[in-house]
Amino acid sequence: SQTIHQWPATLVQPVGSPLSLECTVEGTSNPNLYWYRQAAGRGLQLLFYSVGIGQISSEVPQNLSASRPQDRQFILSSKKLLLSDSGFYLCAWSVHGTLRHVGPLHFGNGTRLTVT
Amino acid sequence: GIQVEQSPPDLILQEGANSTLRCNFSDSVNNLQWFHQNPWGQLINLFYIPSGTKQNGRLSATTVATERYSLLYISSSQTTDSGVYFCAVEDGGGGADGLTFGKGTHLIIQP
Repeated sequence: SQTIHQWPATLVQPVGSPLSLECTVEGTSNPNLYWYRQAAGRGLQLLFYSVGIGQISSEVPQNLSASRPQDRQFILSSKKLLLSDSGFYLCAWSVHGTLRHVGPLHFGNGTRLTVT
Repeated sequence: GIQVEQSPPDLILQEGANSTLRCNFSDSVNNLQWFHQNPWGQLINLFYIPSGTKQNGRLSATTVATERYSLLYISSSQTTDSGVYFCAVEDGGGGADGLTFGKGTHLIIQP
């Protein structure tokens, strides 16, 4: 069966510090991978998605970047964190395909980031 | 882009009650999914249901794509059903890629 791992679970970082969140998927090949952010108040916002190694698409211009160095590894980064980057970050995967036909989406347990 | 509206925003019920959560969307969709977020933040996929009806235990969902809505039914509620229920759709009209989420229904089941 497929599993998705995301770490760390919680993170407190000062403004201006760098960020690296990692996500890996097991039990499937060539998945679509996603980074979402959930701010206080519940809504989920798609930040980045990837349909293959080295292929990253950004939905929202911001202080963050994403990379996919391996098939089942997705990394969210920032060079300098802002207060507004605080939130709950969720990695997700679905079976490979064009994004016009997203299959069932499966989420990791999330990283709660607080920028102080 | 496509708009997703969920109702009610908040719902408080006693254990054993039944409930219906609604999701309306503004345009045609390629698919629709329901998720449950527990109080610890974990998001679980409940249904992948672009059309028709599906059932999984005490939960069932119906999507009427032609009328642009979906319903999630929870029967015989348990305290573990508490959390936020999200509806998410993929725009079938050539809009943004990926899923667009509604703002959720916050459900509290009291013992």
